[in-house]
Amino acid sequence: QKEVEQDPGPLSVPEGAIVSLNCTYSNSAFQYFMWYRQYSRKGPELLMYTYSSGNKEDGRFTAQVDKSSKYISLFIRDSQPSDSATYLCAMIISGGSQGNLIFGKGTKLSVKP
Amino acid sequence: ETGVTQSPTHLIKTRGQQVTLRCSSQSGHNTVSWYQQALGQGPQFIFQYYREEENGRGNFPPRFSGLQFPNYSSELNVNALELDDSALYLCASKGGGHQETQYFGPGTRLLVL
Repeated sequence: QKEVEQDPGPLSVPEGAIVSLNCTYSNSAFQYFMWYRQYSRKGPELLMYTYSSGNKEDGRFTAQVDKSSKYISLFIRDSQPSDSATYLCAMIISGGSQGNLIFGKGTKLSVKP
Repeated sequence: ETGVTQSPTHLIKTRGQQVTLRCSSQSGHNTVSWYQQALGQGPQFIFQYYREEENGRGNFPPRFSGLQFPNYSSELNVNALELDDSALYLCASKGGGHQETQYFGPGTRLLVL
């Protein structure tokens, strides 16, 4: 079992839809959770950053972390064609001197006009 | 734009050759990490440098080596290139303290023939 599981999709939705992206993980030591957006042939861009359980909202984006279920989500409201990209979840163990992110495989999202 | 730059953007090498990739971290960031992203996969951690010392390494062989310089810029060296080394190589930087977020550069796409 991989440490972080993410459905690679592809996921196709119409413009304006609510998008739900999810990851599960197996290591209960993870405490920091991130979502990155990666456009084709570009580096990952940090979207959301959450510490421990709870919700965090930033504009059209909401990140949720449920540590009891080892499940994290990213919701995109009023999706736009410019949101078409690959979304990567990533997590890290708190205080780890190595500081390496563990990524999911990424979910490819396409928002159709 | 994250302020992390990488060079070159693209590179083609043949099996057995050696390659050096370069990264300039975001201003004020003293930690740099390197990741390998194969096509359709999430980034995989190679190693991390903090104040010119390697302080964490993923599951990569010794032919992957690195350097960090006093200005916090960094190099990734790969010897004896193999076909499977073809990937996008990403550099990420972060500041000190408890800030766990990492900011990625645009990557160098390496093709090994």
